[in-house]
Amino acid sequence: KNEVEQSPQNLTAQEGEFITINCSYSVGISALHWLQQHPGGGIVSLFMLSSGKKKHGRLIATINIQEKHSSLHITASHPRDSAVYICAVSIAYSGAGSYQLTFGKGTKLSVIP
Amino acid sequence: DTEVTQTPKHLVMGMTNKKSLKCEQHMGHRAMYWYKQKAKKPPELMFVYSYEKLSINESVPSRFSPECPNSSLLNLHLHALQPEDSALYLCASSQASGNSYNEQFFGPGTRLTVL
Repeated sequence: KNEVEQSPQNLTAQEGEFITINCSYSVGISALHWLQQHPGGGIVSLFMLSSGKKKHGRLIATINIQEKHSSLHITASHPRDSAVYICAVSIAYSGAGSYQLTFGKGTKLSVIP
Repeated sequence: DTEVTQTPKHLVMGMTNKKSLKCEQHMGHRAMYWYKQKAKKPPELMFVYSYEKLSINESVPSRFSPECPNSSLLNLHLHALQPEDSALYLCASSQASGNSYNEQFFGPGTRLTVL
């Protein structure tokens, strides 16, 4: 079993819809990271969470430490939101202040006009 | 300056070539990372440098040779690669304060094709 599970794997939505992507993890973590990757592109950090909820524009991320679960919500979705969304958790300390990330397999989102 | 830059953006090389990938950041971060990402897969950690010293090598073949010449620069030297090494190579950096996870900032990646 993967330490980080994301669902759904693929998601198609109509423009304007409210979207939720879920992430569950099985071990204790120090932080959870939501990342966005456009096709062929680099990775952009959206949120880093260790508790509670964060909001940035149309994006909202929540985390429930007790339930080991996080959600990424997109309100009023737009075709430019089409990308792969990756959940990553910081589990292992690599030493000298660096941490390893364990990644989920990603959710491919397609928003249709 | 809050970005990580990587050069080149694309690289095509033969199996006998020697080439290098370059990563640079000017955010004062003292931890830098190399990841390899195959199509439709999540990134896989290759190397971690902390304070210019190699702290993690995830059993990467010796045909990949990392180098951290200073706190802003991270190189990945490539030699005698195989076609299966074709992938997107991502660099990231973070602060290295030790007490808790520090956010990693990713570069745009180098798309490598080995012929």
